[in-house]
Amino acid sequence: LAKTTQPISMDSYEGQEVNITCSHNNIATNDYITWYQQFPSQGPRFIIQGYKTKVTNEVASLFIPADRKSSTLSLPRVSLSDTAVYYCLVVPMNRDDKIIFGKGTRLHILP
Amino acid sequence: DAGVTQSPTHLIKTRGQQVTLRCSPKSGHDTVSWYQQALGQGPQFIFQYYEEEERQRGNFPDRFSGHQFPNYSSELNVNALLLGDSALYLCASRLAGAYEQFFGPGTRLTVL
Repeated sequence: LAKTTQPISMDSYEGQEVNITCSHNNIATNDYITWYQQFPSQGPRFIIQGYKTKVTNEVASLFIPADRKSSTLSLPRVSLSDTAVYYCLVVPMNRDDKIIFGKGTRLHILP
Repeated sequence: DAGVTQSPTHLIKTRGQQVTLRCSPKSGHDTVSWYQQALGQGPQFIFQYYEEEERQRGNFPDRFSGHQFPNYSSELNVNALLLGDSALYLCASRLAGAYEQFFGPGTRLTVL
């Protein structure tokens, strides 16, 4: 299973765009990149998923370069409520395979 | 839709005891996974159930066992509790073949 590496923590200010980069050098051809968000004392929540290029939804954008060895989660105009831990996961296309979480990035939004 | 529910929310046990945690999946979901999350760490995969059978298992000892019922709900059992079993236990459900997992709020287990 591909291992992911992401910054342990990041700080930003309200109204800023935040970009969190994840490295997954050993990603396989049939792997998807998925991001989850977790608030304290809650279960993780799915944010976005992609395979290549760019994916955008109402919450975030996901940028994946051609070699797919990294990805960047972009959160536009963050607010205090975006303070959370963000996990980058590599999920096998065999969707019944187990899903492995890393330690995530602790994002702290300042007023 | 109530989403994924778990019970109890909190539990305190002593070393050597046994514990059972319960999970009801999101309506329509047939696949349930269990995770252990220690403080400050990411969730660690324990096992996954589908069609009442354990389909995948993480690196956890046999003290951790589970069950899935015909209505897709699931139980996680931990025997001979150790101090290191203190953690947030998360249940996640999805439709077989789907990517997105929906997590419950978790059960906070404290072993004294």
